[in-house]
Amino acid sequence: DVKVTQSSRYLVKRTGEKVFLECVQDMDHENMFWYRQDPGLGLRLIYFSYDVKMKEKGDIPEGYSVSREKKERFSLILESASTNQTSMYLCASMGLAELTDTQYFGPGTRLTVL
Amino acid sequence: GESVGLHLPTLSVQEGDNSIINCAYSNSASDYFIWYKQESGKGPQFIIDIRSNMDKRQGQRVTVLLNKTVKHLSLQIAATQPGDSAVYFCAELGPAGNMLTFGGGTRLMVKP
Repeated sequence: DVKVTQSSRYLVKRTGEKVFLECVQDMDHENMFWYRQDPGLGLRLIYFSYDVKMKEKGDIPEGYSVSREKKERFSLILESASTNQTSMYLCASMGLAELTDTQYFGPGTRLTVL
Repeated sequence: GESVGLHLPTLSVQEGDNSIINCAYSNSASDYFIWYKQESGKGPQFIIDIRSNMDKRQGQRVTVLLNKTVKHLSLQIAATQPGDSAVYFCAELGPAGNMLTFGGGTRLMVKP
């Protein structure tokens, strides 16, 4: 019963490469989020989007950009990957009408930048 | 800035005992709180939520308690099982209603 999917579970890239992380949700949610999760730092919000073509910076947007061309898809882009972007990346979605039981996370993408 | 934090980074309990995981929040304007469970290698999974107009909510083997006076949230797990071993996060919904702020997480370890 998968509701939020991420394009890759594990990804290895080299410094300077452009990296795309894709997230798709099938619940018709308005809000979508990208977090990174690091040991000792918990989940930190990178960007979020509350509507198609809308985006807002989170706590740590530097080095990242996002794209929301369709409601169900929210992409995280690393323009030029660096080693300090090695992390677990989590996508989430949330509806507006009903808050209860509508916050779903994807399985995560573990990105390693060499 | 506003933050949500946890008191204990690691909690070890005996199988069958009850577990209590605590969380402090600082944004008094938040009116919705969520507990997540994250198992190794997986994304966070929604467990239970509570609105600020409630002080207690029960699910299957889990209870969330909210004390707005001291801005404290707790998750109680009854008859803890090995499958409950995971990291538990509390999160609050910000005043804008579309941003979650997460605590740092507590690792629950269940001893057989």
